[in-house]
Amino acid sequence: QLQLQESGPGLVKPSETLSLTCTVSGGSISSSSYYWGWIRQPPGEGLEWFGSIHYSGSTYYNPSLKSRITISVDTSKNQFSLKLSSVTAADTAVYYCARHGVADGNWFDPWGQGTLVTVSS
Amino acid sequence: QSALTQPASVSGSPGQSITISCTGTSSDVGSYNLVSWYQQHPGKAPKLMIYEVSKRPSGVSNRFSGSKSGNTASLTISGLQAEDEADYYCCSYAGSSTYVVFGGGTKLTVL
Repeated sequence: QLQLQESGPGLVKPSETLSLTCTVSGGSISSSSYYWGWIRQPPGEGLEWFGSIHYSGSTYYNPSLKSRITISVDTSKNQFSLKLSSVTAADTAVYYCARHGVADGNWFDPWGQGTLVTVSS
Repeated sequence: QSALTQPASVSGSPGQSITISCTGTSSDVGSYNLVSWYQQHPGKAPKLMIYEVSKRPSGVSNRFSGSKSGNTASLTISGLQAEDEADYYCCSYAGSSTYVVFGGGTKLTVL
């Protein structure tokens, strides 16, 4: 059973870079059929897609966030990562990672449990 | 402001059917049969309920169904149960520039 788990600091200072890692277990991240995505949810708000990466390194980014985002993949560790630069309080959210089905649709499944990142000094 | 428009809330009684709409544009919902729907219970991660407008993943109840007409996609839940009370989000492919857009979410209350 495929599982994803986010990890990283729960508190980040304004203007710094938020860094999160998603570890995939129960399956290989090196599947040609899927991308791997990041989605966030500010407290009490809706979902916002950040971007997705293929194990080959091919990426799709949300154009409204593209200037601040870097998504990378480490196939040797079965992990992919998110870096968000110049964070502000508006970046406080629960961050989720998920498998992104692209070849046969546009869907996210399964999702990690999510990790709350608070931006505060 | 979300790219896809959903009603903030809907409600229904046990056993009834409800429909949640998801309105986009000709650049996303209207152009691609790549709409997915997610159920999210409080404090939990979203769960995929429908993909490619109307397909159900294995394990999802057949009480959940999806459809699309023009720029609007819809999720219908029949035979409402208490456990269906949750937030629901739609998602659509939006072309090679924007890629993925979500709706603002709809809170379903089972009366």
